[in-house]
Amino acid sequence: SQQGEEDPQALSIQEGENATMNCSYKTSINNLQWYRQNSGRGLVHLILIRSNEREKHSGRLRVTLDTSKKSSSLLITASRAADTASYFCATGIRGAQKLVFGQGTRLTINP
Amino acid sequence: ETGVTQSPTHLIKTRGQQVTLRCSSQSGHNTVSWYQQALGQGPQFIFQYYREEENGRGNFPPRFSGLQFPNYSSELNVNALELDDSALYLCASSLDWDSGTDTQYFGPGTRLTVL
Repeated sequence: SQQGEEDPQALSIQEGENATMNCSYKTSINNLQWYRQNSGRGLVHLILIRSNEREKHSGRLRVTLDTSKKSSSLLITASRAADTASYFCATGIRGAQKLVFGQGTRLTINP
Repeated sequence: ETGVTQSPTHLIKTRGQQVTLRCSSQSGHNTVSWYQQALGQGPQFIFQYYREEENGRGNFPPRFSGLQFPNYSSELNVNALELDDSALYLCASSLDWDSGTDTQYFGPGTRLTVL
């Protein structure tokens, strides 16, 4: 079963613009992670935010977490063509072995 | 590059056959998880191995089985293949599955097609 739901399912923007993707989940979590996937290949870990954190930055990435709303957002600033990919949120629960993924947001950056 | 490798890259099988997929975990990682990703979907957890023992299982039938070896590499075996088994199979390694802050590092995946 999918815990996370990403919104939007697809996003197309111009190079240089900012891209925002949202993720909602259903149960209490220990951490939330964002991954990128290019062309149906392996997942690349982008950032992990713990349940007691509200915001985290990594380069052009900014992630927020609102545990009261059970939601997270991923912001990519100054987008580049190389950012074209699918982005997935995944939730981790302490003591549970698995990551539970959403269905992803397909991001297209137009030159 | 995560240091997690998978083989083969692509595989074509026919219905009813058996398949073995392999994964080498990142150096120092003792936990390997397997995921199935159908086209257009997010990955679904199959099972996890920790220090050579199955450490959790998702909603997959018993014909999906696995092994982890002393060097922490792992195999995923699928018997009696069905058409719906066609998917990308992802292996992920992690340092400590119960740390609560664990990152899983994924390999490039094996694309399985069942005809």
